[in-house]
Amino acid sequence: DQQVKQNSPSLSVQEGRISILNCDYTNSMFDYFLWYKKYPAEGPTFLISISSIKDKNEDGRFTVFLNKSAKHLSLHIVPSQPGDSAVYFCAASDSTSGTYKYIFGTGTRLKVLA
Amino acid sequence: IAGITQAPTSQILAAGRRMTLRCTQDMRHNAMYWYRQDLGLGLRLIHYSNTAGTTGKGEVPDGYSVSRANTDDFPLTLASAVPSQTSVYFCASSERPRAPYEQYFGPGTRLTVT
Repeated sequence: DQQVKQNSPSLSVQEGRISILNCDYTNSMFDYFLWYKKYPAEGPTFLISISSIKDKNEDGRFTVFLNKSAKHLSLHIVPSQPGDSAVYFCAASDSTSGTYKYIFGTGTRLKVLA
Repeated sequence: IAGITQAPTSQILAAGRRMTLRCTQDMRHNAMYWYRQDLGLGLRLIHYSNTAGTTGKGEVPDGYSVSRANTDDFPLTLASAVPSQTSVYFCASSERPRAPYEQYFGPGTRLTVT
């Protein structure tokens, strides 16, 4: 059973517009979330994170929003650039479990059109 | 350059053969992980190690084994490869095996089992 879901396999956005990538989770014990970006033939690279004590975290053009009651997080990229075209994974962790593992979603392929 | 190296980059392997995927990090990170990436399934954790000398099972450990004799190396062994183990394998490490420490990924090994 997929505990972390990214229901949109792909997304196309015009350059300069906002990209919104969504992620849903089922385990209410998850309290730390990350977004990773992956280019073809490379390993994923860390993008931004958020703790459950916050509902928003910003880093430049990237903002992550967390809605704990809905078990939903989203990554906003503004403005989108062609170099943002990649696969984005969200990941979640329960820091109280003692296992210290991240559960990854299936990924969303973002294409930013020039 | 600090980071994670994986070898080989790619491999075609006959079913039934034994194979070890190598992973080395030079960041002195305590925790290391092995993931496989499959289309539509995202990144799934195979095995992990919170510190040298200890290992644990992830979501999909069957058919794989690991060892962590020292801090830097975390090899993944397929004792008798099967076609369902065709995948892209990523090794990762983190400074500590818990949030808020993000994981750093290697470039991956593409394995095809025929």
